[in-house]
Amino acid sequence: DVKVTQSSRYLVKRTGEKVFLECVQDMDHENMFWYRQDPGLGLRLIYFSYDVKMKEKGDIPEGYSVSREKKERFSLILESASTNQTSMYLCASSLGVAGQETQYFGPGTRLLVL
Amino acid sequence: DQQVKQNSPSLSVQEGRISILNCDYTNSMFDYFLWYKKYPAEGPTFLISISSIKDKNEDGRFTVFLNKSAKHLSLHIVPSQPGDSAVYFCAASDQVPDKLIFGTGTRLQVFP
Repeated sequence: DVKVTQSSRYLVKRTGEKVFLECVQDMDHENMFWYRQDPGLGLRLIYFSYDVKMKEKGDIPEGYSVSREKKERFSLILESASTNQTSMYLCASSLGVAGQETQYFGPGTRLLVL
Repeated sequence: DQQVKQNSPSLSVQEGRISILNCDYTNSMFDYFLWYKKYPAEGPTFLISISSIKDKNEDGRFTVFLNKSAKHLSLHIVPSQPGDSAVYFCAASDQVPDKLIFGTGTRLQVFP
């Protein structure tokens, strides 16, 4: 079974702090993704990566950056946290083979920015 | 512009009956569709998928139907069980690269 783990389940930060969210997958997947989930808005893609050191902007990249130094690890960085970044953050990975688009998700990190 | 739409934010069904969750999409280039189930405070879990070359895929109590001409897919759960109570997301793949576009979700409640 694919396992995607996220470093924290719950996080409380103050406005202006730099926040790091870590994600690790153990199935040698090529692609990794960061989403945020907000009520009534579904899952919105922040950034994704299809290879080490590669990154692509998703639909809502503003205020975020990412890092993928190793294949199994994909980090989401909030450079200066703001209250509107309070959300559930979800990491996912996929194999990266045509016809195998299924993404597997981690348990999520619920971030509260005060 | 929402490319994948779930127009019903919630659905309530009696245990043992059929649950039908609907999803519409606008992009005719989508060729792979998935349903995910999400419990509170957990990540979404993959439920079932369908390729655009098929019109039906079945896995136990779950069946997904795809109507390409109408750009519509649906998830049928028969019989519904209280443990099925969750938020269900449909998603479509635009393969760039394997990027999924998610709907806004439908909260299903199955009551005894």
